[in-house]
Amino acid sequence: NAGVTQTPKFQVLKTGQSMTLQCAQDMNHEYMSWYRQDPGMGLRLIHYSVGAGITDQGEVPNGYNVSRSTTEDFPLRLLSAAPSQTSVYFCASSSDRGRETQYFGPGTRLLVL
Amino acid sequence: AQSVSQHNHHVILSEAASLELGCNYSYGGTVNLFWYVQYPGQHLQLLLKYFSGDPLVKGIKGFEAEFIKSKFSFNLRKPSVQWSDTAEYFCAVMLDGSGNTGKLIFGQGTTLQVKP
Repeated sequence: NAGVTQTPKFQVLKTGQSMTLQCAQDMNHEYMSWYRQDPGMGLRLIHYSVGAGITDQGEVPNGYNVSRSTTEDFPLRLLSAAPSQTSVYFCASSSDRGRETQYFGPGTRLLVL
Repeated sequence: AQSVSQHNHHVILSEAASLELGCNYSYGGTVNLFWYVQYPGQHLQLLLKYFSGDPLVKGIKGFEAEFIKSKFSFNLRKPSVQWSDTAEYFCAVMLDGSGNTGKLIFGQGTTLQVKP
């Protein structure tokens, strides 16, 4: 199993551009989520999904959209990039929303100029 | 709002020193507790977790943590650190119960630097 994969590893955007961060898992996990990691702030939840077709907002959802058309994929879309979205983005998945370990992807480092 | 606080932002130790990283959370209900580690250039990995039962939890690589409910704390310990323990450590809380949505609330992180 590849686990949780994320692409791209690194991306530079100009303010106002849009892009999609890809996340995929091959463990048949129902639960998937997106976090952003900023210095001194730990990881903050952006959006999450408890299954295909079901998504909900986390702590910092503004400026991001998600969809979950399949169990495997959970893309994160930046609608109009802003410098405040410069961050490292992690995708995670688990087989149960509550009691199972969440597995994290390698991260995408995003720089918005 | 629920929050997780890690008191030490940057810790520097010599090899063989003992380690204790503090973690406190603010939530009066049932919680599931986690410590994750992020080694340089790598993604987050689970060190240990607590759901119920014995409040002293043992994890990988000689780490352990103790859940003290009355203090809302879940401190991470290791008797003797190694250079390879240099990493960033995150405490995380998941709210349990009927309202559980699987959301993890992370602390700010503690950077541990172990000098050889």
